[in-house]
Amino acid sequence: ETGVTQTPRHLVMGMTNKKSLKCEQHLGHNAMYWYKQSAKKPLELMFVYSLEERVENNSVPSRFSPECPNSSHLFLHLHTLQPEDSALYLCASSQDFADTGNTIYFGEGSWLTVV
Amino acid sequence: AQSVTQPDIHITVSEGASLELRCNYSYGATPYLFWYVQSPGQGLQLLLKYFSGDTLVQGIKGFEAEFKRSQSSFNLRKPSVHWSDAAEYFCAVGPRASFGNEKLTFGTGTRLTIIP
Repeated sequence: ETGVTQTPRHLVMGMTNKKSLKCEQHLGHNAMYWYKQSAKKPLELMFVYSLEERVENNSVPSRFSPECPNSSHLFLHLHTLQPEDSALYLCASSQDFADTGNTIYFGEGSWLTVV
Repeated sequence: AQSVTQPDIHITVSEGASLELRCNYSYGATPYLFWYVQSPGQGLQLLLKYFSGDTLVQGIKGFEAEFKRSQSSFNLRKPSVHWSDAAEYFCAVGPRASFGNEKLTFGTGTRLTIIP
């Protein structure tokens, strides 16, 4: 139990579907992250929120849309995805985005399969 | 730009044997260095991190890592592995302050298999 909870753990969706991934952190952290983990590739940072404001968007396609309604919750809205978007999506949090020495706490991930 | 190389994609070790996982980084100055572990079906968990001072860092689960500036390396070691150590291990490097797009960069990981 890392204090970061992701739902659902597994999701299968068609290319025309709209779905959302949810993340909740119980650590009182100010920064939250979405990472994409694909086989044989380094973790890709997708989005960063600090105090509910987006501070990082690493050239992620618009079919991925993040939302951070408060400092404890983070969503990733998915629509018209492609099969190559199938991956493990990891949510994470840290105390402070600007302090790169902070430990990042990861959730268990949401396995996404696009068919 | 910073980068991390984990040259071994997959390592197999006998239970009770010693382990060393390699990590090399490229960065203009001394960065923050991390090792994370990902057990099957789990997220990543921090094993240890190096900021400054003693170049031999102790972590959880009996792991240690040594920072060698001259070799730009931060190898992870354990004197005697247990079956529960089977997992994927990620080395990561981060700048000492967040400027621009420099953030934590992860290696591609080393998968560790333990055999009886």
